[in-house]
Amino acid sequence: DVKVTQSSRYLVKRTGEKVFLECVQDMDHENMFWYRQDPGLGLRLIYFSYDVKMKEKGDIPEGYSVSREKKERFSLILESASTNQTSMYLCASSLITGEQYFGPGTRLTVT
Amino acid sequence: QQQVKQSPQSLIVQKGGIPIINCAYENTAFDYFPWYQQFPGKGPALLIAIRPDVSEKKEGRFTISFNKSAKQFSLHIMDSQPGDSATYFCAASIGQATNKLIFGTGTLLAVQP
Repeated sequence: DVKVTQSSRYLVKRTGEKVFLECVQDMDHENMFWYRQDPGLGLRLIYFSYDVKMKEKGDIPEGYSVSREKKERFSLILESASTNQTSMYLCASSLITGEQYFGPGTRLTVT
Repeated sequence: QQQVKQSPQSLIVQKGGIPIINCAYENTAFDYFPWYQQFPGKGPALLIAIRPDVSEKKEGRFTISFNKSAKQFSLHIMDSQPGDSATYFCAASIGQATNKLIFGTGTLLAVQP
């Protein structure tokens, strides 16, 4: 069964903290994605990776960085969290082509 | 040009009704149009997808209608059930070479018993 797991379902951080969101997939997928989901804005792509150590910026990369040291793991990093980064963060993975499989999401609150 | 515009933002129908969700795009290079369904507390999951070489695709009670000349596509849910209550996202991509999707803003559907 396809599985994408995210390290936390809920996270509360303070402004200025460094935040790590972890995503692991067990499907040997080449592609991995990080989105943020906000009401009325849909899903917006932050970064994606098409191979280990390879990454590309999505539509809203400002304030974020990513790391993919192993094929199954893709991390999203908020170097200095700000209140406008309070959101639902969704990780997804896919083969080179085809369906994207999503994790359950991490709801991050920055206070 | 990279946007996908989705409407309505929310929709309430009675059980058995046929909710219709519409999406429009500008970029004629888009050639893959999936719909994702998201239940509360879950990540989105692929529901149905279409390519522009066909005008309609059915899977069970879900149908995508595609109008290439108008650059519009829509999702119809036949005989809707309370279990269909969810948020629906349309999306588009340019081929599947990078598999990047541009998502619409989502439609919250409530099917009342």
